Amino acid sequence: SAVISQKPSRDICQRGTSLTIQCQVDSQVTMMFWYRQQPGQSLTLIATANQGSEATYESGFVIDKFPISRPNLTFSTLTVSNMSPEDSSIYLCSVGTGSYEQYFGPGTRLTVT
Amino acid sequence: AQSVSQHNHHVILSEAASLELGCNYSYGGTVNLFWYVQYPGQHLQLLLKYFSGDPLVKGIKGFEAEFIKSKFSFNLRKPSVQWSDTAEYFCAVETSGTYKYIFGTGTRLKVLA
Repeated sequence: SAVISQKPSRDICQRGTSLTIQCQVDSQVTMMFWYRQQPGQSLTLIATANQGSEATYESGFVIDKFPISRPNLTFSTLTVSNMSPEDSSIYLCSVGTGSYEQYFGPGTRLTVT
Repeated sequence: AQSVSQHNHHVILSEAASLELGCNYSYGGTVNLFWYVQYPGQHLQLLLKYFSGDPLVKGIKGFEAEFIKSKFSFNLRKPSVQWSDTAEYFCAVETSGTYKYIFGTGTRLKVLA
């Protein structure tokens, strides 16, 4: 298993601003994922962030809106850019193991006013 | 498009009652299947998983799930729930080799003491 931390745990931001969410893992992992959980909805994969390659975005998500960095095997950031109230969600990072299991961080609860 | 359905959105049970939560997916190929649980104030935790072999899998805390390929289902069961099982339960499907999860919408379980 892996222990994952996220910062910040929550934030309230004004529309038009950007927020960078950090994800730190206690061990080296190749695969990291970013998810969004909008109010009352399930988790939706935003992108896959593997170290050493560009992030791969899912349909409906673009790099300009959600730029991701993956500088090493234990850390990643997701930025939510030019925020609007529709971006109010919980953002979670997860790490993948070689056996298809994923371990999730505690999430970042974002409210955009 | 691939999807995962959890038909029960809210379930209320008394302690010692039996539990069955439904999960159906739409994908004709090989899948890996997961149930995750999120206790109040905590992050998502892996409850159990199915990759291959015996379609009846056992997880932590007395939970089990049965994979029925012909029905595209992976239902979660527990013979006797406890108050501490109050949580939200998510079914997730990984279409083999992609490492990407598709989540169901989740089921909120409340167990009355």
